[in-house]
Amino acid sequence: EAGVTQSPTHLIKTRGQQATLRCSPISGHTSVYWYQQALGLGLQFLLWYDEGEERNRGNFPPRFSGRQFPNYSSELNVNALELEDSALYLCASSKWESYNEQFFGPGTRLTVL
Amino acid sequence: QQQVKQSPQSLIVQKGGISIINCAYENTAFDYFPWYQQFPGKGPALLIAIRPDVSEKKEGRFTISFNKSAKQFSLHIMDSQPGDSATYFCAASIGSGTYKYIFGTGTRLKVLA
Repeated sequence: EAGVTQSPTHLIKTRGQQATLRCSPISGHTSVYWYQQALGLGLQFLLWYDEGEERNRGNFPPRFSGRQFPNYSSELNVNALELEDSALYLCASSKWESYNEQFFGPGTRLTVL
Repeated sequence: QQQVKQSPQSLIVQKGGISIINCAYENTAFDYFPWYQQFPGKGPALLIAIRPDVSEKKEGRFTISFNKSAKQFSLHIMDSQPGDSATYFCAASIGSGTYKYIFGTGTRLKVLA
């Protein structure tokens, strides 16, 4: 069974630009979660999508947004990039009925210059 | 109240020794407590998890001890091996409608050969 996949592996942007990160969940998983792992800050919950709807979001500004497609893959968009957005962005997926068992992808390393 | 406090920040253990990582929480609504293991360049991988109705769970060399009254839980790695060297995160989640993890800040474990 293929795991959660994320693309790209690395992304370099300059301040003010927009970044788009992509995630494909494990087959059969309908829920997708996004987390930000900044250096020294652990993992911070960003967004949760299920069945194409945003179900919950963490304490992040509106310039962090995303969507989930009919095939349950997901996109995270970060607008007006700031230097402090540099981090590893992790996507996780779960079955709706076993939401506690979240499986993580390898992440996208975003660097904002 | 949403925080999960994890200690120590880093840990060095001799091969064959016991590694112990502790976490504490405040919110009694948390109902699921997983531990994740993360190797450099990889996403976190679910290691073991426990629910508050159980005081201990063991899987191979990994054991979670849970103290509901003290609102603390810990990960014990018995017979620690150099391959266990990684960063470990505890987490807590509330199932009812939020489905997000609150992560500890992580413990970097190094097991000396």
